[in-house]
Amino acid sequence: QVQLVESGGGVVQPGRSLRLSCAASGFTFSNYGIHWVRQAPGKGLEWVAVIWSDGTNKYYAKSVRGRFTISRDNSRSTVYLEMNNLSAEDTAVFYCATGHRDYIWGSFDYWGQGTLVTVSS
Amino acid sequence: DIQMTQSPSTLSASVGDRVTISCRASQTTTGWLAWYQQKPGRAPKLLIYKASTLQSGVPSRFSGSGSGTEFTLSISSLQPDDFATYYCQHETTFGQGTRVEIK
Repeated sequence: QVQLVESGGGVVQPGRSLRLSCAASGFTFSNYGIHWVRQAPGKGLEWVAVIWSDGTNKYYAKSVRGRFTISRDNSRSTVYLEMNNLSAEDTAVFYCATGHRDYIWGSFDYWGQGTLVTVSS
Repeated sequence: DIQMTQSPSTLSASVGDRVTISCRASQTTTGWLAWYQQKPGRAPKLLIYKASTLQSGVPSRFSGSGSGTEFTLSISSLQPDDFATYYCQHETTFGQGTRVEIK
């Protein structure tokens, strides 16, 4: 079955960096684009970034552009989110999710369990 | 940027009720509109994509409709497991969520 497992979250001081990982299994990873979506405590869902199946295209939300970098290693079936210059506004549960097979922006079909990032001094 | 507005924000209902949640886009969409269910402490779960296509494994009491700027999620007979928050999504934009609570 499809499984996505996020890791790398934790408590980090403002201005510091953190790298999240999303390890996938149960499907042909190299055929799917992968998104990161976050959810601040008690708030709604916010799309963060996407990477194409072959890594050629990457897009970011305005709120993270220039600070976050998405990448992937298809040999390891893993997607990464490098987050720099973190602020309290980045405190959230971060989820990775697969893009729809026919249209990467169409829907987020399978989700990981999420990893909590807390930015605090 | 496109805005997705859900209504109501909170909905109180009883088991067995028919429930309808609306999602309005600020501009005409491509028709790719998805609905998710999220329970506290859990990841969202895809229910419907492309406005009306039921995701595999999702109970048939869930249905979606609409096009252009107006979309609807319906639950034909609310079950105890359905009390949750529901989100619509078009491309990179999510609605603000609708919490379905026990009346």
